[in-house]
Parts: sequence; structure tokens; C-alpha cells
Amino acid sequence: DSGVTQTPKHLITATGQRVTLRCSPRSGDLSVYWYQQSLDQGLQFLIQYYNGEERAKGNILERFSAQQFPDLHSELNLSSLELGDSALYFCASSVASGREGGEQFFGPGTRLTVL
Amino acid sequence: GEDVEQSLFLSVREGDSSVINCTYTDSSSTYLYWYKQEPGAGLQLLTYIFSNMDMKQDQRLTVLLNKKDKHLSLRIADTQTGDSAIYFCAERPGGSQGNLIFGKGTKLSVKP
Repeated sequence: DSGVTQTPKHLITATGQRVTLRCSPRSGDLSVYWYQQSLDQGLQFLIQYYNGEERAKGNILERFSAQQFPDLHSELNLSSLELGDSALYFCASSVASGREGGEQFFGPGTRLTVL
Repeated sequence: GEDVEQSLFLSVREGDSSVINCTYTDSSSTYLYWYKQEPGAGLQLLTYIFSNMDMKQDQRLTVLLNKKDKHLSLRIADTQTGDSAIYFCAERPGGSQGNLIFGKGTKLSVKP
């Protein structure tokens, strides 16, 4: 158990819908990262937050957004869902902003299926 | 751009050593990682190495880093059936805020 929790574990929804994925980082970690894992693209970095502020953006679609709350949990919002958004979404956390810290721990993931 | 390459499959016999190789492109990468993913599970951090190190050993795991060739390897000694999984190599590029660039993963199959 990495100490990073994600809910829900599975999510099945229809095209055009909107969903919210939730992540709680390890106790004491200030940085949260979101990644998408799909068969064709592999593991891709989406976005990072550090202590409530956006720090870095990767291959995140405009239909997707995220935020980190004062209690440090984070939510990833996916809207106007398409079949191609079906994937495993991981959250990871680390102590620092990333420049200093070495370890990044991953949650168990949320499997999103868009029908 | 940044890229991480790994071979897709490796098959070994139980008790043998496994060596999983990885090459990366960003010479300014600060940290390099190995993660393990079992079927239906998340990513488990196995070990990582700072770019100023050549080798790191942790029980059955040995990581070798050749910075000149941008080559990273993970050796698993006395491989067990429980080691069957997908192993991901990842780099943290020097200019990043901490996000990782992952390879496609190497599926390790251990035959009894």
C-alpha cells in the first residue's frame, strides 16, 4: 500500500458525460500528479499540483481539468467524454515540488470505461 | 524530445537472473526509476537512482546506470514466479517539476 488513495476504483459512463476522479496523497506529501495509462499511448503525464497551485501541464486535453484543495486532496474532472478517454487514471504524490524529492508514489488507479 | 525505450517482453526461468534494459534520451535527467505493475494493480515503486550514481543495490535488485550511453538496467537476482509483472523504466527530465516520462514497459514472464 503506497498510502495514496483514489476513488472510485471503477467508473462506467456514456459518451458526452462528465466525471470526477478523486485522489488523496500520502500524509505529508504536497505534490499531486495525474497520469493516464492507455494501451496505445502508454503512461502519459497530465498535470501536477503543488500545495494547491498548478505546477506543470503535460498532455492534458482542454476537456480535462484538475484542482488541489486546501486539505491537499485533488480532483480530476473529465468532461464531454469520448470513447478514446477510456483508460486507467493514476494519481501520484511526492513530498516536494519535484525538483528536490526523489520518490513518487502511485495510487491504485481509477479505471474509466466510456461506452 | 524526451523518450524512454524498453524491450516489450522478457522470459526467464525461476531461479535465474533477469535483466531489464532501458534507454533514455534526456542527458539532464536527474532521477531514473523502476516501477512494477502487476495485473489489475497500480504502479509500485521498486527503486530509483540519482544521476550521479553508477549503481544501486537493494536486496535482490541491482540498478546500473551508464550515463554516457543513457542506459539503465534492472537486474533481479533469483527471479521468482511472483516477479512476473510489467516493469516500467521512467526518467525525470532535468527541466521538469517532477513529472516522469515512462517507457512502454517490459513484460517479465517467469517460468517454473
